[in-house]
Amino acid sequence: DAGVIQSPRHEVTEMGQEVTLRCKPISGHNSLFWYRQTMMRGLELLIYFNNNVPIDDSGMPEDRFSAKMPNASFSTLKIQPSEPRDSAVYFCASDGGGGSTDTQYFGPGTRLTVL
Amino acid sequence: GESVGLHLPTLSVQEGDNSIINCAYSNSASDYFIWYKQESGKGPQFIIDIRSNMDKRQGQRVTVLLNKTVKHLSLQIAATQPGDSAVYFCAENSHTDKLIFGTGTRLQVFP
Repeated sequence: DAGVIQSPRHEVTEMGQEVTLRCKPISGHNSLFWYRQTMMRGLELLIYFNNNVPIDDSGMPEDRFSAKMPNASFSTLKIQPSEPRDSAVYFCASDGGGGSTDTQYFGPGTRLTVL
Repeated sequence: GESVGLHLPTLSVQEGDNSIINCAYSNSASDYFIWYKQESGKGPQFIIDIRSNMDKRQGQRVTVLLNKTVKHLSLQIAATQPGDSAVYFCAENSHTDKLIFGTGTRLQVFP
């Protein structure tokens, strides 16, 4: 089993540029989660999808952030325009969508640096 | 200027000793708990979970204890090895799809 796949693993960009992070969840998983991890704030949930539908986006910091899940095997998190304070590690996780007792499995993360 | 980050408590243990990592959770309605291990440069990795109808669950070299009375969770690692060095997070779930993560504890294993 390949696990959750994220790309790119590292991204360095300049302030103002658009950044797109990609995630492929574990096959058969119905829920997908985007997290951000920083030294200042720890691990924060940004948004999650169930059956490709966004359920809770209350963690999305502002309108510069958007996420899509066009099908069950692919999701993107986009930042436009990017700012230096967006620098963080972004994780994608998935679970079986069975509710509160499902285990989330995390991808390796994308380390984003905005100069 | 300096940035102020989260203060991660650190547990330092000698190789071969047992480790106990503690976590206080916030919601008495939480019914599912998970321990994750995060090594440097990697994503959180599932270690063990426990449901609220249990007090104890054992895995390979790891044991999770749940005390619902005081909302406390602990992870015990037997015969700690250098490869156990990482940041350990507890997470709780209360009848939703969302996990609430703790701030983490750094485990350092020295020879």
